[in-house]
Amino acid sequence: EVQLLESGGGLVQPGGSLRLSCAASGFTFSSYAVSWVRQSPGKGLEWVASVNGGSDNTHYTDSVKGRFTISRDNSKNTLYLQMNSLRADDTAVYFCAKSPQYTTLTPLDYWGQGTLVTVSS
Amino acid sequence: QSVLTQPPSVSGAPGQRVTISCTGSSSNIGAGYSVHWYQQLPGTAPKLLIYGNTNRPSGVPDRFSGSKSGTSASLAITGLQAEDEADYYCQSYDSSGVVFGGGTKLTVL
Repeated sequence: EVQLLESGGGLVQPGGSLRLSCAASGFTFSSYAVSWVRQSPGKGLEWVASVNGGSDNTHYTDSVKGRFTISRDNSKNTLYLQMNSLRADDTAVYFCAKSPQYTTLTPLDYWGQGTLVTVSS
Repeated sequence: QSVLTQPPSVSGAPGQRVTISCTGSSSNIGAGYSVHWYQQLPGTAPKLLIYGNTNRPSGVPDRFSGSKSGTSASLAITGLQAEDEADYYCQSYDSSGVVFGGGTKLTVL
């Protein structure tokens, strides 16, 4: 059974940093692209970043470029999102999701339950 | 403001058919990129409902179907059931990456 378990969310002050993790199980992690998608309270889905199976291809939404870094450790079956220079509008539930293919820009067929990040003073 | 435009809400009675539109542009759907649809039940994570414009993942009832034409796509749900009450999102791509619609809340009357 495919499982994705996010962790690392919490309350952080504006300008601060946070690192999210997503532990994957039930599939060959290194064979599939994975992504972060966020959802602000009461709002819709917003794609954040994606990385392919080998970590040599990454994509980011414009609003997080230069502040967020997506990475993965295939030996630990774990996806990460390093978030720096956090702003109030980064407040959201962050979901990790896997693709059914090695490459990015493919559908998201399994999702974790999400971790809440709150940016506030 | 989402790149893909969806109606904020739709509704229908049990057993009826509803459709949810997803309007894009020549930069995304009209450029030939695939459209996918997700269902998000209250308080849960999204679930892939339709991929590659028209395909259903294993386990998704055939009451759900997708279509695409030009710069738009649609999700149709037939034989509406109370359990279908949820938010629905379309998703495609553009030169910047992944784009989502703003979501449509389906109410089963």
